[in-house]
Amino acid sequence: AQSVTQPDIHITVSEGASLELRCNYSYGATPYLFWYVQSPGQGLQLLLKYFSGDTLVQGIKGFEAEFKRSQSSFNLRKPSVHWSDAAEYFCAVGEGGGADGLTFGKGTHLIIQP
Amino acid sequence: NAGVTQTPKFQVLKTGQSMTLQCAQDMNHEYMSWYRQDPGMGLRLIHYSVGAGITDQGEVPNGYNVSRSTTEDFPLRLLSAAPSQTSVYFCASSYIHNNEQFFGPGTRLTVL
Repeated sequence: AQSVTQPDIHITVSEGASLELRCNYSYGATPYLFWYVQSPGQGLQLLLKYFSGDTLVQGIKGFEAEFKRSQSSFNLRKPSVHWSDAAEYFCAVGEGGGADGLTFGKGTHLIIQP
Repeated sequence: NAGVTQTPKFQVLKTGQSMTLQCAQDMNHEYMSWYRQDPGMGLRLIHYSVGAGITDQGEVPNGYNVSRSTTEDFPLRLLSAAPSQTSVYFCASSYIHNNEQFFGPGTRLTVL
């Protein structure tokens, strides 16, 4: 069965500092990988996705993520965070062409210090 | 495009009551699904559909029913609400070939 682990429940970063959120997955086939962001009281917004090809993918709001098959990881990065980045971040894995939906990690809550 | 819409935004029920959460999408997506979100649990799949007339169970289907009579609509029914169903419910849709889920704004349900 597929699974996603986000090891950090909370992360606190100073505004302007760099950010890395960790995501490890377990999946039998070639995974489709996603990062979503959820602001308080809101739905989920897609930040970026990896289907195939270049393992470094760019997303919205200045985020990027790198797929490392050997480490079963898909970590999210941003070089300089803004106060508006404070939110809950979810990593998810699924298969293309599959009907099983996405399996989500439990999320990482990002706190931005002024 | 409105994307994925959900109604209501908030709902309070008493134990044993029934209700239907509505979900609609205008992107002609084949795939639609319902998730519930609980603190510290991430999102868990309740039911899904790969097209009109076809539904199947996800990870946590007990206590919920779904139907898919049209491509656009995918309602979720709670037959007899229980306090354990207090949660935030999200509807999502995607093309089957890429699984890129678009989410609705959610329904916050409280069962007393």
